[in-house]
Amino acid sequence: GAGVSQSPSNKVTEKGKDVELRCDPISGHTALYWYRQRLGQGLEFLIYFQGNSAPDKSGLPSDRFSAERTGESVSTLTIQRTQQEDSAVYLCASSLYGLAGGQETQYFGPGTRLLVL
Amino acid sequence: GESVGLHLPTLSVQEGDNSIINCAYSNSASDYFIWYKQESGKGPQFIIDIRSNMDKRQGQRVTVLLNKTVKHLSLQIAATQPGDSAVYFCAENEGGSYIPTFGRGTSLIVHP
Repeated sequence: GAGVSQSPSNKVTEKGKDVELRCDPISGHTALYWYRQRLGQGLEFLIYFQGNSAPDKSGLPSDRFSAERTGESVSTLTIQRTQQEDSAVYLCASSLYGLAGGQETQYFGPGTRLLVL
Repeated sequence: GESVGLHLPTLSVQEGDNSIINCAYSNSASDYFIWYKQESGKGPQFIIDIRSNMDKRQGQRVTVLLNKTVKHLSLQIAATQPGDSAVYFCAENEGGSYIPTFGRGTSLIVHP
């Protein structure tokens, strides 16, 4: 498809289990972002990938969170030993080059709704 | 009207009315601003953007106004339709930064 896709769309897991969330960005987009959105809240930045540069992990809330991206393609966000407070919508966005220095639109995926019981 | 509390600020309007959604931003160095629309169960969708060298920009049925003096951004939607019902987020970005800061969002409810 032409847009950003994410899978799974919904995930229910038990506290303490690991989860892996996937993002397929728009083809050709070098920049990829992960955000967390808690109910009724704005978007909380987690991690940013730009081409082959080292990712900006400054938004990851704890060492239980990690993400990988292979080149300029798929990214996975992994949450280890999930906690109830991890319950949220996890959104992925991609853009052509990244916002630095110019106007650029982020295109968002539909999100993965994670519920930790 | 608007209400602020534990829930998202909410704006309720009648179909056909004009809507104004407001956003106060925090960083005086921000020079790029974006409005997003997020419908239930979907990711945010770009609506319109504006750079700090402008104070007004118009799109189709939408207008964004920027007041840098008081660090205020607004989104005006003309002839609001039920399909406009969604949560609207503003985002600000400082030049040189690739990480925008998102506002909390305002829920727009359009009554037929």
